[in-house]
Amino acid sequence: GIQVEQSPPDLILQEGANSTLRCNFSDSVNNLQWFHQNPWGQLINLFYIPSGTKQNGRLSATTVATERYSLLYISSSQTTDSGVYFCAAPREKLTFGTGTRLTIIP
Amino acid sequence: EAGVAQSPRYKIIEKRQSVAFWCNPISGHATLYWYQQILGQGPKLLIQFQNNGVVDDSQLPKDRFSAERLKGVDSTLKIQPAKLEDSAVYLCASSPFRTGSTGELFFGEGSRLTVL
Repeated sequence: GIQVEQSPPDLILQEGANSTLRCNFSDSVNNLQWFHQNPWGQLINLFYIPSGTKQNGRLSATTVATERYSLLYISSSQTTDSGVYFCAAPREKLTFGTGTRLTIIP
Repeated sequence: EAGVAQSPRYKIIEKRQSVAFWCNPISGHATLYWYQQILGQGPKLLIQFQNNGVVDDSQLPKDRFSAERLKGVDSTLKIQPAKLEDSAVYLCASSPFRTGSTGELFFGEGSRLTVL
C-alpha cells in the first residue's frame, strides 16, 4: 500500500511564528487531505487538495502531485493551532501519516 | 448540516468484556468508515462500507471485531472479547462519494476505549 511520511514529527514555536509542515507520499494519488486533531481528539478537516494551492485564513496548503508531496503553511501561529496535524492520501483507501505535533507557546 | 455522530464518547471495560460503538454518518453519505487510532499513531482503517455492503475489511481483526451497517445508514462496531491492546480511539467517518476514488472524509468526535 501507499506510504505517507510527515515531517517534522514535533514542532515547538512561539506564538506569532510561521511554520511549514511537509507530507510525502510514495505513490501517485488523486487526492490529499490535511486534518488538525485537536486536544480532545477530533479530526477537523483543513484542506481537500489534489493539486495546486488553497488558502483558508492563516492556513494554506500546496500539493505537487507529480513530485508526491504536500505542504501545509500556518502563518501567525496562535495557541489554538496546537495539536497534531495529519495528512492522508488515498489509494484504494485513505492512509494517514504519523502526524506532526505542533505546540504553540504563548 | 449535522456532522458525524458517535456514541459513547468514553468507555472503560475490563479485558474479555464486550463493547459496542455506534455511528450515524452525515445524511446522504453513502460511504462509512471505522478507524482505530492508538495513542501516538495515525488512524488505521478497520472497515469501509458503501451503503450496507463491505468494501474493505482487510485490517479488521475478525476473531474479535465485527461491524454492520444493516440499512445503509448508521453502523455499529463491536469488540468481543476485548484485549488490552484494543485501548484506542475508534473514529467513524463518512464520505459522499460512492465508488472510485476516496472522496473527502468527515470524522466524528470518536469513542475512547480503555481496556483494563
